[in-house]
Formats: sequence, C-alpha cells, structure tokens
Amino acid sequence: GQNIDQPTEMTATEGAIVQINCTYQTSGFNGLFWYQQHAGEAPTFLSYNVLDGLEEKGRFSSFLSRSKGYSYLLLKELQMKDSASYLCAVRGTGGYNKLIFGAGTRLAVHP
Amino acid sequence: DAMVIQNPRYQVTQFGKPVTLSCSQTLNHNVMYWYQQKSSQAPKLLFHYYDKDFNNEADTPDNFQSRRPNTSFCFLDIRSPGLGDAAMYLCATSTLTGDSKKLFFGSGTQLSVL
Repeated sequence: GQNIDQPTEMTATEGAIVQINCTYQTSGFNGLFWYQQHAGEAPTFLSYNVLDGLEEKGRFSSFLSRSKGYSYLLLKELQMKDSASYLCAVRGTGGYNKLIFGAGTRLAVHP
Repeated sequence: DAMVIQNPRYQVTQFGKPVTLSCSQTLNHNVMYWYQQKSSQAPKLLFHYYDKDFNNEADTPDNFQSRRPNTSFCFLDIRSPGLGDAAMYLCATSTLTGDSKKLFFGSGTQLSVL
C-alpha cells in the first residue's frame, strides 16, 4: 500500500527553526517533494529530493534518506508568513509523474 | 507569465445538479491532473491526461468525468454532486522531461454543494 505520514500540527516562534518530518511507505520511489499551502490556496513547490542528503534553498532545506523512508523539511529564521500547511509528496515509479500526498502539517508561527 | 488558471475560484451548486470546473494552462505541458482535497486532508488524485490519453484512478467514482479538448484546457464534470463532493478541486500540470518534473498547480476551485 501507499502511506505517507506527517505530524498534523506544529507551532513555533518567529525567528526560530522548525523541522517537519515525513515518513513514507510506497510501492515505488522516484523522488520526494515538499509543497507549501496557505489556507484556501493551491500548493506551491518548495523542494525536491531524489538522492540521499540535504538540499538547501535559502531559508528552506530538505533532507532525504531512502533506506529509512524518511524526509524532513527544515525552516530557518521563521517568519509569520510561514504559517501554512506543508505537504510531503512522493512520486512513484508508475509513470506520468503522479504524486501521492501526505495530509500535510499545519504550522503556526507565533510572535 | 505562464501559469495554470482555474475558474471559477468558488462554485456553489445544488445537490444533484451537474457542475463543470475548468482549467487552462499556458505552460504547454503534456500532463494535466485533477486532485480533490477535502478540508485538512491530502490532495487525492482523481485522474490525469497524458496528451489526449485519459487515465482514471481505480477508486475515482463514476460521478466524476473529465474532458481535455486540446493541450491548453481540461474540464472536470461532476454529473450528480453529492454533499460529500464538497471540496477544493486542484488542477495541476507537468512535463515528463527535465530535472524534477514538479507539478504546477492552479489556484483551485472551492466547490460547495447545497
């Protein structure tokens, strides 16, 4: 079966660092994505990992361990506008670039 | 700017009254997807097109149909909406070439069923 797990909610303080974890069990693996989704809006692309290791992009970094079926998204220097849901998604090997999404982690950033 | 556009942003329909949601793209991507996302849940893939080839997910109800008359446009038809079909409907596109092949999403249509 296909299963992607993320914590439902997290809170953090403005200026701090937060790590959002994602574990997955899928029938195939061909890349992992992180998307940001503000309430009532469409998901926007944050990061992509297909090999093990850390990908850094400004205040956002994403890590992947394929052997452990594990990824995390690291957000540094948190800002109020980072309050959103963060969706972990896995691309399988079935073709047509289909993504399977987790339910998302709702992050609340407080002053 | 190249983008994925969904209309309308909000749609209200009555129980059992057919409704059509539309999506257009200027990215010239081969693949177009329709996802259903209910509140606080994961986006769920309903179906996708690769060019004109239609691919239905196994658990997508027959009540949901789709049309793609050309590369730029794709429609989602809900033949007899039920209360359980109230959700955000997301259209996305991608190409099968390139590095990440990430999905580009439209702004979504929030469907209410009365």
